Amino acid sequence: SQTIHQWPATLVQPVGSPLSLECTVEGTSNPNLYWYRQAAGRGLQLLFYSVGIGQISSEVPQNLSASRPQDRQFILSSKKLLLSDSGFYLCAWTSYPEAFFGQGTRLTVV
Amino acid sequence: GENVEQHPSTLSVQEGDSAVIKCTYSDSASNYFPWYKQELGKGPQLIIDIRSNVGEKKDQRIAVTLNKTAKHFSLHITETQPEDSAVYFCAAGLDNYGQNFVFGPGTRLSVLP
Repeated sequence: SQTIHQWPATLVQPVGSPLSLECTVEGTSNPNLYWYRQAAGRGLQLLFYSVGIGQISSEVPQNLSASRPQDRQFILSSKKLLLSDSGFYLCAWTSYPEAFFGQGTRLTVV
Repeated sequence: GENVEQHPSTLSVQEGDSAVIKCTYSDSASNYFPWYKQELGKGPQLIIDIRSNVGEKKDQRIAVTLNKTAKHFSLHITETQPEDSAVYFCAAGLDNYGQNFVFGPGTRLSVLP
């Protein structure tokens, strides 16, 4: 069966520090992968999606970037975090047509 | 692009009562409308979906209706139970491989015992 792993579950980082969140999918090949952000009390905002290795589409200009170095690995990064980057980050993949989400990473920038 | 609105943002019901959440979408090309349930500290999970060639779909206590002309769809939960308490998201998109959904802002449902 397919599973999605996302880590870490929680993260507290100072302003200006770098960020790296990792997501991996098992049990499938060439999945479409997504990074969403959920601000407190808000909906799901699509940040990046990828249809293949090295292919990244950005939905919203951000202080963030994404990379897909391997077929089933999706990484969300930042060189310098801002306070406004705080939120709940979710990785997801789609299996036509359902989306499967990871458990999420709660990022607090202090 | 697609824009999805969702109402209400919060909803409290007594256990056993029904709950209704409504969504509207803007892109008439959208043909797939899933609903996701997000429990505290977890990622959303699909609970029911409907395609544009169907007006209503039911799964036990959960039902979804779609009005393509008016571009709105609704989630109905009957005989609510405390475990139904969660945040519910509607979404709209194209039912094709590689689709990107647009999610509504979510509804926090509280079922009071």
